[in-house]
Amino acid sequence: DIVLTQSPDSLAVSLGERATINCKSSQSVLYDFNNKTYLAWYQQKPGRPPKLLFYWASIRESGVPDRFSASGSATDFSLTISSLQAEDVAVYYCQQYSSDPTFGPGTRVDIK
Amino acid sequence: QIRLVQSGSEVKKPGASVKVSCKASGYNFKNYGISWVRQAPGQGLEWLGWINAYNGATSYAQKFQGRVSMTTDTSTNTAYLELGSLRSGDTAVYYCAKQDGGSHWYFDYWGQGTLVTVSS
Repeated sequence: DIVLTQSPDSLAVSLGERATINCKSSQSVLYDFNNKTYLAWYQQKPGRPPKLLFYWASIRESGVPDRFSASGSATDFSLTISSLQAEDVAVYYCQQYSSDPTFGPGTRVDIK
Repeated sequence: QIRLVQSGSEVKKPGASVKVSCKASGYNFKNYGISWVRQAPGQGLEWLGWINAYNGATSYAQKFQGRVSMTTDTSTNTAYLELGSLRSGDTAVYYCAKQDGGSHWYFDYWGQGTLVTVSS
């Protein structure tokens, strides 16, 4: 199985400040044959199911605010919230789908 | 709009089986796969497997092989997860999730979750 690690485990950021979450894969999730990167990001708030934020590593899902951005390729990825809002408090997960899906352990984002 | 509505909470004894349903609406059910993902209390997300809603083909995570079964009823646009030989470690919220394609796709819509509690 492909193992995803995330850093940090948690972070607290002041309102309006930037938050960055990293995700590292044990193997490349970039398929050469179609040049697609099989990585997604989800946001999960307490008591709610995960919500898709990004797919193919950097394609923003419809309705996701543009203060969220995602980048990376092959094995190293990041999710950035450019100006943290109160409603962004959540746990964020990366997920690879190049083989049997696996998720990172999650990063909790709180307000400082 | 696309919705996945799951059945209600379950309490089961160790060794029993549980069957969770996931009724889809708002899209062509047979054109997309359905995955099942669980989340133990306070823990992360774990994928159990997926089913091709068009032909019923399945792929299960190795960890659950032999005690998991996923099926669909295309007449009611409903997917089912059955997990047997339950143990306390299976206590979790179980989610169905629509894949934006067949295999090797991300999950664009999720059900609300079904809490399964395994306790003697």
